[in-house]
Amino acid sequence: DTEVTQTPKHLVMGMTNKKSLKCEQHMGHRAMYWYKQKAKKPPELMFVYSYEKLSINESVPSRFSPECPNSSLLNLHLHALQPEDSALYLCASSQDWQGGYGYTFGSGTRLTVV
Amino acid sequence: TQLLEQSPQFLSIQEGENLTVYCNSSSVFSSLQWYRQEPGEGPVLLVTVVTGGEVKKLKRLTFQFGDARKDSSLHITAAQPGDTGLYLCAGVNEKLTFGTGTRLTIIP
Repeated sequence: DTEVTQTPKHLVMGMTNKKSLKCEQHMGHRAMYWYKQKAKKPPELMFVYSYEKLSINESVPSRFSPECPNSSLLNLHLHALQPEDSALYLCASSQDWQGGYGYTFGSGTRLTVV
Repeated sequence: TQLLEQSPQFLSIQEGENLTVYCNSSSVFSSLQWYRQEPGEGPVLLVTVVTGGEVKKLKRLTFQFGDARKDSSLHITAAQPGDTGLYLCAGVNEKLTFGTGTRLTIIP
């Protein structure tokens, strides 16, 4: 299995809702990442998990809360989002936190905040 | 902050033509990766270059890492419509930093 699976593919949520994005990989990768990508822009790093521990938080607002229940799963909990948070949210994994062998990305969750 | 500037930002050429995309930074990277992203999908890794001056060829795509490990180029020979997409370079140090992107369109 050489894929990163993200669910849901599309999500529309109100500003008072609580929702979660899910990401799963079974490649034995020990580092997992959340990226945010706005239209016509490159992906921007949000969080890095290495060996199931949060190692990098790129000053992301607290309305985004990551969770890594085990080495195969990564969640992103969303609460009280703003319309400007609408974007494509990408999950990725790599063999180790240094990423020298390359990242495998999921297809993303297209999030719309209304 | 480690910035990677790509040029050109947009490129639209006829099928069969050759093209080069550049990725430049003032920072030194331990390695550099190139990805291609299609609409509604995540980036897909094309290549990783590690050694300064390294050249890698994948069919019609040639990647080069600068001697000082600060810059890279991607050359496509005889472009095809299937090459259309967003090309992203990404520098690797303690984390992966993406370049500004080059949106390539190949016209049949």
